[in-house]
Amino acid sequence: DTGVSQDPRHKITKRGQNVTFRCDPISEHNRLYWYRQTLGQGPEFLTYFQNEAQLEKSRLLSDRFSAERPKGSFSTLEIQRTEQGDSAMYLCASSPEAGAPNYNEQFFGPGTRLTVL
Amino acid sequence: LAKTTQPISMDSYEGQEVNITCSHNNIATNDYITWYQQFPSQGPRFIIQGYKTKVTNEVASLFIPADRKSSTLSLPRVSLSDTAVYYCLVGPRSGGYQKVTFGIGTKLQVIP
Repeated sequence: DTGVSQDPRHKITKRGQNVTFRCDPISEHNRLYWYRQTLGQGPEFLTYFQNEAQLEKSRLLSDRFSAERPKGSFSTLEIQRTEQGDSAMYLCASSPEAGAPNYNEQFFGPGTRLTVL
Repeated sequence: LAKTTQPISMDSYEGQEVNITCSHNNIATNDYITWYQQFPSQGPRFIIQGYKTKVTNEVASLFIPADRKSSTLSLPRVSLSDTAVYYCLVGPRSGGYQKVTFGIGTKLQVIP
């Protein structure tokens, strides 16, 4: 068990560019979450996947944001036409299916820090 | 989702027991209370979860009174490495998934 990994760890981009982040959850976890965290604030929920199905999306997830989990394993979060307000830490978490050990815990990755210039 | 209120910051000396209280007056019948810990530049880490009375694990205890309108996270004999932000979360579990909202948390500073 290598934990949740995210790539890249840091991303600097210019306003208007598109960026894509990747999350690899713990292998046996079928549930995956994306959060956004700005300085001094707690993580804000963005979206939730169960296997490949995106079951919940926050209103924070504007039409410039899209998340996928095509095969129910890794997930990508894409931000189109980035804005300076998108600068934040993007966190991914995963958890096992209901009834499994630790199913009520979300295991977080180290995050991808995005800076939009 | 129930709103939570917790102190913005706390200081404690090494070796002391630390109690962080969270208020959640609007907690719903099917809500669970969960605490996470976050170090700088890392993702949050699950500490403990409970529904009522007392829950204890190897790192902390969680005390929940009968009315469930508050809860207290207790960290025994803190060390410098316990310096972190602690989040109290309240939300329902549906199919094993707890929809939660993180507030700003309590920044705990452990002093040597």
